[in-house]
Amino acid sequence: EIVMTQSPGTVSVSPGERATLSCRASQSVSSNLAWYQQKPGQAPRLLIYDASTRATGIPARFSGSGSGTEFTLTISSLQSEDFAIYYCQQYNNWPPAKTFGQGTKLEIK
Amino acid sequence: QVQLQESGPRLGKPSGTLSLTCGVSGGSISSNNWWTWIRQPPGRGLEWIGEIHHSGNTNNNPSLTSRVTISVDKSKNQFSLKLTSVTAADTAVYYCARSQLNSASGSGSYMDVWGKGTTVTVSS
Repeated sequence: EIVMTQSPGTVSVSPGERATLSCRASQSVSSNLAWYQQKPGQAPRLLIYDASTRATGIPARFSGSGSGTEFTLTISSLQSEDFAIYYCQQYNNWPPAKTFGQGTKLEIK
Repeated sequence: QVQLQESGPRLGKPSGTLSLTCGVSGGSISSNNWWTWIRQPPGRGLEWIGEIHHSGNTNNNPSLTSRVTISVDKSKNQFSLKLTSVTAADTAVYYCARSQLNSASGSGSYMDVWGKGTTVTVSS
């Protein structure tokens, strides 16, 4: 099983500032990585796939980077609606089982 | 646009079987996507349960595979989850989702459409 580790567990950032969230895979997943945003009581929402491609309707302030085992989600100029929990998920070619990171909570400073 | 809706009993008994269905509307389950189940225990993170293609091919979480059956009913445009021998640890919000095809592997990849989720509690 590919283990995904996110850091930090919680990050506090002020509105208007930049947030940088990290995700590490226990083995290379190439660019087969997605990021999701989840707000309380809601289903997750796809933000980024293939490590750096924004999903439909996702604002340009969200960007993803990385490949192999190290990935980053950057949110520039945080808006109030961005405070949520963020998960990374790998979908490597093999094994076919997908795994999520444990999540990073982005809270208002 | 495609929408997904989970349905099934909200309460299950220990050692029993949890059965959920996900109805697909606005699109065909026979499209070239995979259809996925994910769960989230209270206050915890997301756990991928498994996925199915309309061809009937499945992939499951190795930690759950002995208890999980995912099936598809093309006539009803829906897919289902059965989880046997449930315990309190299976209490969670269960989501169904559409996964895009990973063209390199032929299995699913990222989940771009999600249902709202249904809360299932296992308790005697």
